[in-house]
Amino acid sequence: QVQLMESGGGVVQPGRSLRLSCAASGFDLRSFGLYWVRQLPDKGLEWVAVISYNGNDKYYADSVKGRFTISRDTSNNTLFLQMNSLRPEDTAVYYCAKDLRWGPYPFDSWGQGTLVTVSS
Amino acid sequence: EIVMTQSPATLSVSPGETATLSCRASQSVNSYLAWYQHKPGQAPRLLIYGASTRATDIPARFSGTGSGTDFTLSIGSLQPEDFAVYYCQQYHSWPRYTFGQGTRLDIK
Repeated sequence: QVQLMESGGGVVQPGRSLRLSCAASGFDLRSFGLYWVRQLPDKGLEWVAVISYNGNDKYYADSVKGRFTISRDTSNNTLFLQMNSLRPEDTAVYYCAKDLRWGPYPFDSWGQGTLVTVSS
Repeated sequence: EIVMTQSPATLSVSPGETATLSCRASQSVNSYLAWYQHKPGQAPRLLIYGASTRATDIPARFSGTGSGTDFTLSIGSLQPEDFAVYYCQQYHSWPRYTFGQGTRLDIK
């Protein structure tokens, strides 16, 4: 059974850093793309970042490029999102998700999310 | 960026009836369209992909239609557990996915 569980959220001041983790189980991280998606307050969902099944390709939304870094540890089945230079507009619930297969496919599994609040 | 617009924002329907939710893309996404169900505090669940293919273990009362720019999710014989927020997502511009703002399905 595929499971994804995020952790690491919290309250952080603007300009500071935070690292989110996503513990994965029930599948091989080396076979699927892994994503971070966020839900901004009172707004819809926004794709944030993706790492390919082989770890070689990483893509970022323009809103986080240069500040956020996606990575993974296949030996511990964990996905990460390093968030630097945080801004109030980064306040959101952050979800990790797995794709149905690498390429133009939807997400077939999501975590329950972790809340990040950027505020002074 | 492909903008996805869902309507209505809120839909009130009685249990046992049919709910019809709409999603429109700002440009053609062919059939690269998915629907998700999201309940508070839970992980979103994939319902439909390829505009009309039900995901694993999704009941037949959920059906999706459309292609190009206009899509519909129909939920027949509404059950109490179906009341949630529903999102459409285009993956035509993978990996730069975009989502609709969501339709909240309420019990009437």
